[in-house]
Amino acid sequence: EPEVTQTPSHQVTQMGQEVILRCVPISNHLYFYWYRQILGQKVEFLVSFYNNEISEKSEIFDDQFSVERPDGSNFTLKIRSTKLEDSAMYFCASTRNGFMNTEAFFGQGTRLTVV
Amino acid sequence: AQTVTQSQPEMSVQEAETVTLSCTYDTSESDYYLFWYKQPPSRQMILVIRQEAYKQQNATENRFSVNFQKAAKSFSLKISDSQLGDAAMYFCAYRSASNNNDMRFGAGTRLTVKP
Repeated sequence: EPEVTQTPSHQVTQMGQEVILRCVPISNHLYFYWYRQILGQKVEFLVSFYNNEISEKSEIFDDQFSVERPDGSNFTLKIRSTKLEDSAMYFCASTRNGFMNTEAFFGQGTRLTVV
Repeated sequence: AQTVTQSQPEMSVQEAETVTLSCTYDTSESDYYLFWYKQPPSRQMILVIRQEAYKQQNATENRFSVNFQKAAKSFSLKISDSQLGDAAMYFCAYRSASNNNDMRFGAGTRLTVKP
């Protein structure tokens, strides 16, 4: 069963530090996403990525955030200067074809704690 | 903007009994997809069931079924013959048919199954 994997499962970082969250999507998937869930709140869309560029981003995804697919397999989310309010569970997801009713596969999440 | 509301942060059910998880959503679109995802502890979200808005028939997957009320914008999940392995966080999600990037989640319902 193919699955999306995320590393690390838990990251603790000091406020102001840069953090990179890593994801390995399913190999034949073409669309990639990052979502986050602040404790007790809704899962929120951050960004989608297709053909090596951002296809859509939410208002949460400001200049502190960036994504890239550095080597054709990993899909990373970078937060340049973390803030306390960035503490959340971050989920990566991928789909085979973004414009059809296809299932989105999610990773198990990375819990980011900013102290 | 589309929003998804899960009004039950926590639910519990006795093993072998039936439980219904509520979900309502707000949209001005006529064509969309609805999903229920299950997230076991420390595991990735997995798709439980999905419903296309243009279909009147309620989706069913084994012990899982939905009650889709399009006019009321309600999409509840019924789990019959609950099993201990059903214990998880359940997320209701909405996805626009015209924009695959636009997938909105509720805050989740934590389901506990009592033996």
